Amino acid sequence: GESVGLHLPTLSVQEGDNSIINCAYSNSASDYFIWYKQESGKGPQFIIDIRSNMDKRQGQRVTVLLNKTVKHLSLQIAATQPGDSAVYFCAEGGSNYKLTFGKGTLLTVNP
Amino acid sequence: EPEVTQTPSHQVTQMGQEVILRCVPISNHLYFYWYRQILGQKVEFLVSFYNNEISEKSEIFDDQFSVERPDGSNFTLKIRSTKLEDSAMYFCASRGEENQPQHFGDGTRLSIL
Repeated sequence: GESVGLHLPTLSVQEGDNSIINCAYSNSASDYFIWYKQESGKGPQFIIDIRSNMDKRQGQRVTVLLNKTVKHLSLQIAATQPGDSAVYFCAEGGSNYKLTFGKGTLLTVNP
Repeated sequence: EPEVTQTPSHQVTQMGQEVILRCVPISNHLYFYWYRQILGQKVEFLVSFYNNEISEKSEIFDDQFSVERPDGSNFTLKIRSTKLEDSAMYFCASRGEENQPQHFGDGTRLSIL
């Protein structure tokens, strides 16, 4: 899961399994949260977002869960595919929708 | 699908020189951003821009940095006198209406020698 440590957290899963990537955020006043996927050599790609008045939102094969009590965010990917291999960032939105990013989690999907 | 485009993909510059990084945001977007990512570190916010003015900037965005929207399509980041520690990936992002997410370009890798 997400960490403020020096090393990039990693998650290795088998193709077809479900993946859960976790993130802890710091600002209890944040009201907007977003997940991005970053492949090597590319910019962050939007996956899904959620506002603080919700605790769950679903997209295509992805679900974001928000627990404001413990300031925790998670991204669930169903039936993970090799193309899902990437670094996943959570970010919290502040004023002017400025984003504060976490360090990222490297997801590796094994065929 | 419309996308944010950035040029050049890689810029190599001597320390002390000026550099301009260019971005073409998605055409109907109203809010523009620059972020940077030093190798192995988090993506960091630099500046947000709306209605032809800076709406917020970070501590990183000091007097050496400036942004401009010179015409209806481009959004530029200028670093006046580059330092070694400016070496990073620089990402431009844009968003449309209030409740829409930011979309990022693929970045410019800036290398200061």
